[in-house]
Amino acid sequence: DIQMTQSPSSLSASVGDRVTITCRASQGITNYLAWYQQKPGKVPKLLIYGASTLQSGVPSRFSGSGSGTDFTLAISSLQPEDAATYYCQKYNSAPRTFGPGTKVDIK
Amino acid sequence: QVQLQQWGAGLLKPSETLSLTCAVYGGSFSGYYWSWIRQPPGKGLEWIGEINHSGLTNYNPSLKSRVTMSVDTSKNQFSLELSSVTAADTAVYYCARGGDGVTYHSDCWGQGTLVTVSS
Repeated sequence: DIQMTQSPSSLSASVGDRVTITCRASQGITNYLAWYQQKPGKVPKLLIYGASTLQSGVPSRFSGSGSGTDFTLAISSLQPEDAATYYCQKYNSAPRTFGPGTKVDIK
Repeated sequence: QVQLQQWGAGLLKPSETLSLTCAVYGGSFSGYYWSWIRQPPGKGLEWIGEINHSGLTNYNPSLKSRVTMSVDTSKNQFSLELSSVTAADTAVYYCARGGDGVTYHSDCWGQGTLVTVSS
């Protein structure tokens, strides 16, 4: 099975900073990658699918890039409401494995 | 607007069978795969498996021997059974809309059900 890793596992940044999170697949998955945001006690929310397509209603400060094995989620200008844990998920084939998550805190 | 509502027993004893059901309101039921995902307290998300309207399933190999998913198209519902539970199965369980056969991201989620396994 394909394994997913994320880096960093956590980060702390200031409001207005540009933040990037990396997701890596152990084998190529073309662009079959999604990103989710989960706030404490809440249901995960789809942010991006197809590695770079923004889900309807998601702020444009979020963007995704990459293909093959290396992917990036970027937040162009971090906002207080972006404090959350972010997960990538590969879905080219089953099992549709999630990455371990990256926790983003606001300084 | 698709909505998923899930229910099931929240407290189980070791060796019992976990049973959860998820109802889908609005949108197409037959056009999608329907997924179960879990999250142990303080930990990350784990994909359990998926089922489509015809009953075709894909399971996580790590749970495959204990998982059964079923679907009731007359009620737009799908269900999860996980047998022989242990404390390691304690988690919030989510149902979610999976893929349409082309792409398999989950854009709609149920509210989650905390299942605790304790003697």
